[in-house]
Amino acid sequence: GDSVTQMEGPVTLSEEAFLTINCTYTATGYPSLFWYVQYPGEGLQLLLKATKADDKGSNKGFEATYRKETTSFHLEKGSVQVSDSAVYFCALSGFTSGTYKYIFGTGTRLKVLA
Amino acid sequence: EADIYQTPRYLVIGTGKKITLECSQTMGHDKMYWYQQDPGMELHLIHYSYGVNSTEKGDLSSESTVSRIRTEHFPLTLESARPSHTSQYLCASSEYQGSYEQYFGPGTRLTVT
Repeated sequence: GDSVTQMEGPVTLSEEAFLTINCTYTATGYPSLFWYVQYPGEGLQLLLKATKADDKGSNKGFEATYRKETTSFHLEKGSVQVSDSAVYFCALSGFTSGTYKYIFGTGTRLKVLA
Repeated sequence: EADIYQTPRYLVIGTGKKITLECSQTMGHDKMYWYQQDPGMELHLIHYSYGVNSTEKGDLSSESTVSRIRTEHFPLTLESARPSHTSQYLCASSEYQGSYEQYFGPGTRLTVT
């Protein structure tokens, strides 16, 4: 079945470091891909999305490119800030055998140190 | 900004009590969801609804029940709370806008003593 695999955390970085959080997926058809962020004590909020191959989603300095050939959607940011400390979830949505599915990865905690 | 609300935000209650967690959205979305989030952060879908009078169980077995009498309202009920129900509960809604991004409420942290 469809699935999302993302790197385990926690990821600990110093301020201004480069961030990569890996996400790979397994899906039939052509899913849409998402990154969500969850700050402490809050629900998830959409960070960025891509709906087809080679699309690049971007927001708040974060980027991710939908790579169909490697079934990946890695999250990157050139220079992280302490305020980026949060949990990041990769997700996909799409139809499989006529059934709509929304699948989240297990989440990756990011800690940014001043 | 998403307009989806959950009450209460925090609830501490004794074993055996009946509780209802409220979720409301003002966006007119047809699809709504309840997730249980464990301390390890992973989300587990416990219920979903694709419209009024439509409810389905999710991937994780749950002793809770839900109802969808109005589009904007999707409450979750536990008839008899147990310590094993202690968790964070997140409500979400979605509608097709080129893709089905989900909008989440702030969550209810439930503790059953």
